[in-house]
Amino acid sequence: DAKTTQPPSMDCAEGRAANLPCNHSTISGNEYVYWYRQIHSQGPQYIIHGLKNNETNEMASLIITEDRKSSTLILPHATLRDTAVYYCIVGILTGGGNKLTFGTGTQLKVEL
Amino acid sequence: DVKVTQSSRYLVKRTGEKVFLECVQDMDHENMFWYRQDPGLGLRLIYFSYDVKMKEKGDIPEGYSVSREKKERFSLILESASTNQTSMYLCASSLYGGRASGANVLTFGAGSRLTVL
Repeated sequence: DAKTTQPPSMDCAEGRAANLPCNHSTISGNEYVYWYRQIHSQGPQYIIHGLKNNETNEMASLIITEDRKSSTLILPHATLRDTAVYYCIVGILTGGGNKLTFGTGTQLKVEL
Repeated sequence: DVKVTQSSRYLVKRTGEKVFLECVQDMDHENMFWYRQDPGLGLRLIYFSYDVKMKEKGDIPEGYSVSREKKERFSLILESASTNQTSMYLCASSLYGGRASGANVLTFGAGSRLTVL
């Protein structure tokens, strides 16, 4: 599995955009980039994923660089409820036993 | 709207006890996973299963076994619990990877916090 590198922590003011970076320089051509978040004492929650193109859903936007070696998760208007650990993971869709390997993520703290 | 249910939210067991952690999903997913989460170490994969009666070792399988007798249920077994198995255990499921994009999206349960004394 390709590895990812994320900053251990970030702060963001409520109402501002939160931009969470992720480096995945060894990503393979058929591996997707996934983002999950984990609010304290809960299981991780899926946010968004992408392969090459930028993606947007109701929760966030995902910007993947052209060389696919890094990506940025954007929460356009962060709220206090977005305070969580955010995980960037790369994974491959294969038959049988596909799996995702999580790292330690980025602790995002949204403040007033 | 609960989709992945872990049977116990908190457990306290003694060293040497046999411990069963149960996980049930109602989404007809083929893949199921067990992770453990420890401070500073993130989530680490223990075992996963991509079909009934099929299992594969993850990154840290030592001291654990699993059982998948039915598609919806995936059990994690600690044959003889030890204090270093005190942790948060997370179950997850996903669709089979051979299907359309998005199949690798994991849905997690709320977690089971195990304390071994």
